[in-house]
Amino acid sequence: DTAVSQTPKYLVTQMGNDKSIKCEQNLGHDTMYWYKQDSKKFLKIMFSYNNKELIINETVPNRFSPKSPDKAHLNLHINSLELGDSAVYFCASSQGTGVLGSPLHFGNGTRLTVT
Amino acid sequence: SQQGEEDPQALSIQEGENATMNCSYKTSINNLQWYRQNSGRGLVHLILIRSNEREKHSGRLRVTLDTSKKSSSLLITASRAADTASYFCATVGANAGGTSYGKLTFGQGTILTVHP
Repeated sequence: DTAVSQTPKYLVTQMGNDKSIKCEQNLGHDTMYWYKQDSKKFLKIMFSYNNKELIINETVPNRFSPKSPDKAHLNLHINSLELGDSAVYFCASSQGTGVLGSPLHFGNGTRLTVT
Repeated sequence: SQQGEEDPQALSIQEGENATMNCSYKTSINNLQWYRQNSGRGLVHLILIRSNEREKHSGRLRVTLDTSKKSSSLLITASRAADTASYFCATVGANAGGTSYGKLTFGQGTILTVHP
């Protein structure tokens, strides 16, 4: 069974559209994350939720809105997509927050291409 | 700015050789972690070392941490073709109120290629 699953795996869309990426984890973890990996493989944290509460919100355009309906799910909605949003988006989860040193479990990513 | 930086950016070796990757960081850390990423896949956690530890082992992996130099190294012994992947170090900042506090911040990785 996949521990952290994201859908879709690939997403091709045009500028200006709105799209969502879904993430679910079945590990029983209480913390979930969204990371963005650019073409140079640089991974940058975007958001983190602990027990459905937003605890990390990096300098991300407000076109990006995360939603955590419960501890096992963290979705990412993106409005008015731009070319620069093209990247691979990774969902991850951990038991406890980063301060506790819990390792992250990653999904396999969603490759977003904006044309 | 990025917390961790790996060196070298790319490493190419023959099967059976050892591979050493280095990571440097800028601020005080709570812990440092190494991850592997195979092409087209998510990152997989390899090993975690806390700021009060100097060395850890896990199978063919050996990680060292030198907090005075703000650096870490990952050694993979007796490499295999299946070890071909990108390897990332990631740090959790220790200074409450600092920009990296409580966050796992990644470097840009070392691309390791092991030739059979």
